[in-house]
Amino acid sequence: GAGVSQTPSNKVTEKGKYVELRCDPISGHTALYWYRQSLGQGPEFLIYFQGTGAADDSGLPNDRFFAVRPEGSVSTLKIQRTERGDSAVYLCASSLTGPSTDTQYFGPGTRLTVL
Amino acid sequence: RKEVEQDPGPFNVPEGATVAFNCTYSNSASQSFFWYRQDCRKEPKLLMSVYSSGNEDGRFTAQLNRASQYISLLIRDSKLSDSATYLCVVRAGNTGKLIFGQGTTLQVKP
Repeated sequence: GAGVSQTPSNKVTEKGKYVELRCDPISGHTALYWYRQSLGQGPEFLIYFQGTGAADDSGLPNDRFFAVRPEGSVSTLKIQRTERGDSAVYLCASSLTGPSTDTQYFGPGTRLTVL
Repeated sequence: RKEVEQDPGPFNVPEGATVAFNCTYSNSASQSFFWYRQDCRKEPKLLMSVYSSGNEDGRFTAQLNRASQYISLLIRDSKLSDSATYLCVVRAGNTGKLIFGQGTTLQVKP
């Protein structure tokens, strides 16, 4: 079946601009996660949704970052006033139900470059 | 100090060699442990979960030492296709949050 998909695959923007990154989880998966991976580092947790609600947003670095999942399926990560330090690969993952037992399946990521 | 620490390598080994990676974690409340594999410019994929009793999947063996907060991965009879970055991952409690190490790069040479 189809895996997690993310669009766009690459995004180049200028410092100060607003960007939206989209994630389509595996069909039927209720849990959705966003991570950010900088070059040479492991992925870093940003936020986790269970259904429509954000169950844990402790990883969002500051208030320029916001994510939504209005219908419990597709999620959008929004970054305002982008900075060069936001350049990274943004990974989305989904799991079937509860986070404590299920494998997280990752999408291919969106490579964000802020000039 | 990072919550999950790994030697980034790279580890360069010949085909057929046995190679071991280690990882330490700082949060004693961590309850779930994994090894993920990540190929260059690709997403991480689950390689195997790690259990206290140790577990094996073909050429791969994972071990967990809770007392020392230490996780290991052993790869026997290395193949060229094993070349990748291996990420040590822990999950604390019942949260969805996975905490990744920096990753260890393995390059298997012919």
